[in-house]
Amino acid sequence: GAVVSQHPSWVICKSGTSVKIECRSLDFQATTMFWYRQFPKQSLMLMATSNEGSKATYEQGVEKDKFLINHASLTLSTLTVTSAHPEDSSFYICSARVGPAVAETQYFGPGTRLLVL
Amino acid sequence: GEDVEQSLFLSVREGDSSVINCTYTDSSSTYLYWYKQEPGAGLQLLTYIFSNMDMKQDQRLTVLLNKKDKHLSLRIADTQTGDSAIYFCAERPLSGGYNKLIFGAGTRLAVHP
Repeated sequence: GAVVSQHPSWVICKSGTSVKIECRSLDFQATTMFWYRQFPKQSLMLMATSNEGSKATYEQGVEKDKFLINHASLTLSTLTVTSAHPEDSSFYICSARVGPAVAETQYFGPGTRLLVL
Repeated sequence: GEDVEQSLFLSVREGDSSVINCTYTDSSSTYLYWYKQEPGAGLQLLTYIFSNMDMKQDQRLTVLLNKKDKHLSLRIADTQTGDSAIYFCAERPLSGGYNKLIFGAGTRLAVHP
């Protein structure tokens, strides 16, 4: 149980285009999902917390107009990188929270590698 | 502040035990986690420990927590080549409203014959 999928697994796009990444919880409902970004050989940095039915909460320094998050259902959150530039190239990983707030565990998706040319 | 530190690299011989160490700063952290990341993949939850525990064992994995020193370790017994990966330590501080995980930079474990 607690499987999280992401689509696509990798994407190459031209500078200036927008890219949408999907995160799905396959066998459970997730009211809260998280979006992380990982640069090569570095750790994960939390970008935003996605809450079903409400606006996402962004971490300091993350542009909410550039990284649009939509959590329209209990099993799907999407991250749209708008007007992508080469510096947005990274590995984007989502996770979904399972369990009550105090005892929660996060299960991670396999990640989406974005390359902006 | 929130900071998690790990050594960056560990090399062990197949069959030996591996010990990966981690220090964290936020004493309010209720849960501490170990995740494994294989090349090009997301993170796999290996195990976690509640802050009122000193030790947790799960098959080949043993987690030790020294809350006084804010030190966490992961011991992998009988290390195999399939254990080669990056291991991330993470804390979940109370200041994050239970939502936020703070990750270390990851320890790259290399297992050689």
